Amino acid sequence: VLTQSPGTLSLSPGETATLSCRASQTLSSSYLAWYQQKPGQAPRLLIYGASTRATGIPDRFSGSGSGTDFTLTINRLEPEDFAVYYCGQYGSSLLAFGGGTRLEIK
Amino acid sequence: QLQLQQSGPGLVKPSQTLSLTCVISGGRVSSNSATWTWIRQSPSRGLEWLGWAYYRSRWDTDYAVSMKSRITITPDTSKNQFSLHLTSVTPEDTAVYYCGRLMSEPVPWGSNYYHYIDVWGSGTTVTVSS
Repeated sequence: VLTQSPGTLSLSPGETATLSCRASQTLSSSYLAWYQQKPGQAPRLLIYGASTRATGIPDRFSGSGSGTDFTLTINRLEPEDFAVYYCGQYGSSLLAFGGGTRLEIK
Repeated sequence: QLQLQQSGPGLVKPSQTLSLTCVISGGRVSSNSATWTWIRQSPSRGLEWLGWAYYRSRWDTDYAVSMKSRITITPDTSKNQFSLHLTSVTPEDTAVYYCGRLMSEPVPWGSNYYHYIDVWGSGTTVTVSS
C-alpha cells in the first residue's frame, strides 16, 4: 500500500513543492515511479527508480528516498506543473498506486 | 516512438463482458522487455491495476486478486495488439480504462531492474449501465 501526502497542496508559481509517498513495506527504490496526470489525460511518467528522470522531463523535477519513504520535489513551479501526482510501485506480480496529491494554484 | 491506440465500446450492460483492445505501433507485442498492462481509474478507486501479459520465451499473465475470476488479457501477435476481457460487469466497473507498456530495464549497477509504465493509451471511458 502506498500512502501519499498531502492530499492537496496549494502553492504559487515559482515556489517549491514537496510531495510524499510512503510504502507500507520496504521496497526497492528501483521499483518506485512518479507520474503526473492532467485533467482528461492519461498519466505521464516523470521519475523511475525513485530518482531517475524520464526522457524529456525538466530538471526542476527530482525524486529521492529509499526504504519506505519517497519524495517528489518540484522546484520553481511553472503553471503547467499544477496537476495530480501519483507514485506507483512495481511488486511481485502486481502494480500499485498511491491515492495521489493534487497540486493546485494558490 | 511506441504508441498505443485503444478501442472498444463506451457503454456495456450489467452482466455482460467488457472488451477493449490496445493496438501497438512502433514496437512489438512479443518484446522481451515489455509487459502489456491494463489499468483503470475511477473517483472511488483511483488508479487500479487490473493485470498484464508478457512474453519471456512464452506468454504469461498476472491479474489483480480482486479481478482474478473475471479478467482475461490476451495478446494477438498477428495484429500486434492485446485485449482486455472483463466478464459479469456491474456499475462498479464504470471507469476510464488505460492500456500501457511497463518497461523493465536493467539498473546500470547490480542485478536489479527498473520497472515503470512509460507509454499509456489515451484511455477509454466505459460506463456500465442498462
